[in-house]
Amino acid sequence: GQQLNQSPQSMFIQEGEDVSMNCTSSSIFNTWLWYKQDPGEGPVLLIALYKAGELTSNGRLTAQFGITRKDSFLNISASIPSDVGIYFCAGLGPRYGADSWGKFQFGAGTQVVVTP
Amino acid sequence: NAGVTQTPKFQVLKTGQSMTLQCAQDMNHNSMYWYRQDPGMGLRLIYYSASEGTTDKGEVPNGYNVSRLNKREFSLRLESAAPSQTSVYFCASNGTPKGLYEQYFGPGTRLTVT
Repeated sequence: GQQLNQSPQSMFIQEGEDVSMNCTSSSIFNTWLWYKQDPGEGPVLLIALYKAGELTSNGRLTAQFGITRKDSFLNISASIPSDVGIYFCAGLGPRYGADSWGKFQFGAGTQVVVTP
Repeated sequence: NAGVTQTPKFQVLKTGQSMTLQCAQDMNHNSMYWYRQDPGMGLRLIYYSASEGTTDKGEVPNGYNVSRLNKREFSLRLESAAPSQTSVYFCASNGTPKGLYEQYFGPGTRLTVT
């Protein structure tokens, strides 16, 4: 489907640093999802967001549903080596038509590399 | 509760051969999806099924067919494989009874067409 704009494309950080990434869209969404994908594995759902302004945490991960409903942010605090992987966002728009309903849009992913 | 399962995990086909990728979910989800993931292309939707008994084309449906066998199972068929179909294929599902759209993915099938 149509790609969301996700940035940065990659990040090289030291263990203990915080990580921030975001996704933006030209259209509004009702749902934002954040995933992590390890090499050779399927994407694993990290956080789901359903309301504009919502801030949700999952351990050291925090994600926010942008107030404009056109963006979302993911932060990882105090990174550790196992945070290495590709993180990507997915968005689902309002139920306004059979052609679009149910089709998620995806970001291209942010590659996170953590060095000791 | 296994979530979304896919078989096989790996497959090598010769050009022109056919095969079916199997997917099953045990989360009582209404909607199921097939994606392909290629380097630099992200996830692209092949087909999806919003509910049992319905299927719709996604972004890249050519060369594929699907069957929503029942609420749990959604299969993807390659009738005549081509090298361009070398990819990683993911099945996903969502649609909880509460109406929340948390999409869960299977572990993937790595397909090589020679």
